[in-house]
Amino acid sequence: NAGVMQNPRHLVRRRGQEARLRCSPMKGHSHVYWYRQLPEEGLKFMVYLQKENIIDESGMPKERFSAEFPKEGPSILRIQQVVRGDSAAYFCASSPYQATSTDTQYFGPGTRLTVL
Amino acid sequence: GESVGLHLPTLSVQEGDNSIINCAYSNSASDYFIWYKQESGKGPQFIIDIRSNMDKRQGQRVTVLLNKTVKHLSLQIAATQPGDSAVYFCAELFMDSSYKLIFGSGTRLLVRP
Repeated sequence: NAGVMQNPRHLVRRRGQEARLRCSPMKGHSHVYWYRQLPEEGLKFMVYLQKENIIDESGMPKERFSAEFPKEGPSILRIQQVVRGDSAAYFCASSPYQATSTDTQYFGPGTRLTVL
Repeated sequence: GESVGLHLPTLSVQEGDNSIINCAYSNSASDYFIWYKQESGKGPQFIIDIRSNMDKRQGQRVTVLLNKTVKHLSLQIAATQPGDSAVYFCAELFMDSSYKLIFGSGTRLLVRP
């Protein structure tokens, strides 16, 4: 069984460009979480989505960031007009249902975004 | 605001010794505390959790202790092995509408051969 897949694994963008990060959850999983990790820091929650719905976006910056999880296809985290401060590792986690137990959020390998 | 943090950024231990990684938290409302292991270039991997109404839980070579009085959490690894070298994070699970995880800042464990 394939785990959570994220692509690209590394992404380089110049300031002002757009970044699109993709997350394919594990088969059968309909819940997706996005987290951001700065170097030498812990992960910070950004957004929680179910298929076609944003459930909790309390960790998302108010501007330039958006996320979606369409009925078909991967979840997308989109960052418009990137700035250097957006450079980080972005992790996706998926679960088969609302994570009522603690070991059911499975993490992907992350996308390392570098903004030049 | 809520926060979860660690006392030691780096811990170096001899192979075969026991390791203790500590974590302090400030929010008393969480239902679970969880330890994750993150190897270089990978996502976090679940190790063990403990419910807030417990004070100790044991797994394979790992033990988690919770002291709610002083809001302190620790992870003990017995007979540390080179494969245990990684960054370890404690996290709280908020069982509200989103079940999101709140992570601490991490401790790097280095195992000397």
